[in-house]
Amino acid sequence: GDSVTQMEGPVTLSEEAFLTINCTYTATGYPSLFWYVQYPGEGLQLLLKATKADDKGSNKGFEATYRKETTSFHLEKGSVQVSDSAVYFCALRSSTNSNSGYALNFGKGTSLLVTP
Amino acid sequence: DAGVTQSPTHLIKTRGQQVTLRCSPKSGHDTVSWYQQALGQGPQFIFQYYEEEERQRGNFPDRFSGHQFPNYSSELNVNALLLGDSALYLCASSLPEGASPLHFGNGTRLTVT
Repeated sequence: GDSVTQMEGPVTLSEEAFLTINCTYTATGYPSLFWYVQYPGEGLQLLLKATKADDKGSNKGFEATYRKETTSFHLEKGSVQVSDSAVYFCALRSSTNSNSGYALNFGKGTSLLVTP
Repeated sequence: DAGVTQSPTHLIKTRGQQVTLRCSPKSGHDTVSWYQQALGQGPQFIFQYYEEEERQRGNFPDRFSGHQFPNYSSELNVNALLLGDSALYLCASSLPEGASPLHFGNGTRLTVT
């Protein structure tokens, strides 16, 4: 079945460092890809998404490009802040059909800690 | 604009008991999904409700059941609780289209002892 694999954490960076969190996927067809962020004690928030190959999603300085040739959707940010400390989840939604296109498949999450 | 609200926030139950969790969707949303998030793991899809019917179900046993009401709110019921059911249960609402982004509540933390 469709699945997502993301790099193990925790990731610890100094403020203003460059961030990359790797995410690769296995899927048939043309899935949609997402990054969600979870701050302590809260639910998940959509960070960005891409729905077709070569699309770039971006939000709050984060970006990720849907690479079908490498089945990847790596999350990047040029300069992280302490407030970016959270858990980041890569997720996939299978190509929509009448019965199975509604669930999100999540990776295990990558914890990011940014220190001053 | 109220987002997704879930109740209760925390719950402690004994093995073998039954539990009901509740969710009110974001205003304007009519589709509700439930996810289970074990400690240190990503959320796992339980099921989705639309028009008061279960539209898609994940790989969870029949002990997990749900309901959607005419006002689009939803309940998740778990019978015969096991220790392994201890987790954060997340509700997410959306519009019915498959591409519609999910809006998550803060979850209900269930502990089974």
